[in-house]
This record gives sequence, C-alpha cells and structure tokens, in this order.
Amino acid sequence: KAGVTQTPRYLIKTRGQQVTLSCSPISGHRSVSWYQQTPGQGLQFLFEYFSETQRNKGNFPGRFSGRQFSNSRSEMNVSTLELGDSALYLCASSAITGATSNEQFFGPGTRLTVL
Amino acid sequence: GDSVTQMEGPVTLSEEAFLTINCTYTATGYPSLFWYVQYPGEGLQLLLKATKADDKGSNKGFEATYRKETTSFHLEKGSVQVSDSAVYFCAPGGGNKLTFGTGTQLKVEL
Repeated sequence: KAGVTQTPRYLIKTRGQQVTLSCSPISGHRSVSWYQQTPGQGLQFLFEYFSETQRNKGNFPGRFSGRQFSNSRSEMNVSTLELGDSALYLCASSAITGATSNEQFFGPGTRLTVL
Repeated sequence: GDSVTQMEGPVTLSEEAFLTINCTYTATGYPSLFWYVQYPGEGLQLLLKATKADDKGSNKGFEATYRKETTSFHLEKGSVQVSDSAVYFCAPGGGNKLTFGTGTQLKVEL
C-alpha cells in the first residue's frame, strides 16, 4: 500500500501571497489531519477532516483553512502569508475516527519558506 | 487542553547504553498514548502506542508503559544503536488529534 503523499515537497513564497498544499491519504483512510512543525512552537495540530467535514480545529488564525474531497484527498490553504508561516506542514491519515486508539500515518511533509 | 512535558534534549549516549526519555502529560479523560520518531529529513513514524492503563507498547527494542497514576509514558531501550539517532515525540491523543511534546533529540555515538 502506498503511504501518505504530500505535494509539493518544497515551496518558496513571499509575504502576502497564498499557498495551497495537497495531501493524498493511504488508500481507504478517510480521516486526514494537518500539523505545523516549527523550531519555536514544535508540532501543532491545525485541523482534521473526515468525510469532507472539518471535525476538529486547532488554535490557528482564519488564514489557515482546508478542505477534503470525496476521494479523501485534502488540501490546506494559507492566505496572506507571513514570515512566521515558514514551517514543515505534515499531513497524517487514519483509517477511522472517533476512537481513542487511532494510529496516524504521516507523510514526508511540505517545507514552506516565506521570504 | 492536553499538554505534554518531555525531557529536554539533546541526549547523547554511547552505543549499547540504556535509554530513558521521560514523558508526562495532562489530558481530559484517558487518551491513547503514542511515541513517534522523526529521522533526519523525514516525516513522523509511529514507534509504539498504548491505549489503556498498564498497557505496555513495544517495538524495535523500545518500550513504554501507560502509567495512569503518574500520568507518564516514559520511553526506554536497553541498548541503543547509532541508527536510533533521531528526534522522539511523546503524544497523547484521541479522535485523530495528537498533542505533541517538544521532542527529544537523541544522538548515539560509537
């Protein structure tokens, strides 16, 4: 089974621009979660989607948004980029939702640099 | 909300030394507990997990026991190898939302 894939792997943008990142979960997985990883704040949960619905949201401004398609692929968008948005964005997929023992499988991440 | 306290790194050990990375957490209810590992330049990989009190997760020689009374999930390995050099993250979680610790970098030297 193919793992979680994320595209692109690297991105360079300038302040004020917007960016869209893509994540394809493992086949059959219907839940997709997004995390931001920075040296200063560590790994922080952004949001989770299941069946095209956002089920959980972290503490990020509205500039961060996402969506999920009927094939479970997910995109996240960041508008009006700021320097502090430079980070590794990780996507994780899971087979089920709601249970406490879900294992999440992570993709390799998209490295976003904002200049 | 949930929170995690992990021991500060980097931790530098000689090959075959004993490893302990401490992790304590605060959480609502009884979450599942996970250890993830991140090798240089890669994403996160699940190392082990435990879903209820007194459960012991184990994988690749690593072990951790879910201690409800002390809200801890310390990671241990009896004999580390150079290939274990990585960053280790403790994370309580539920409902596909993980709360990560700051990560502990482990460096194993010959």
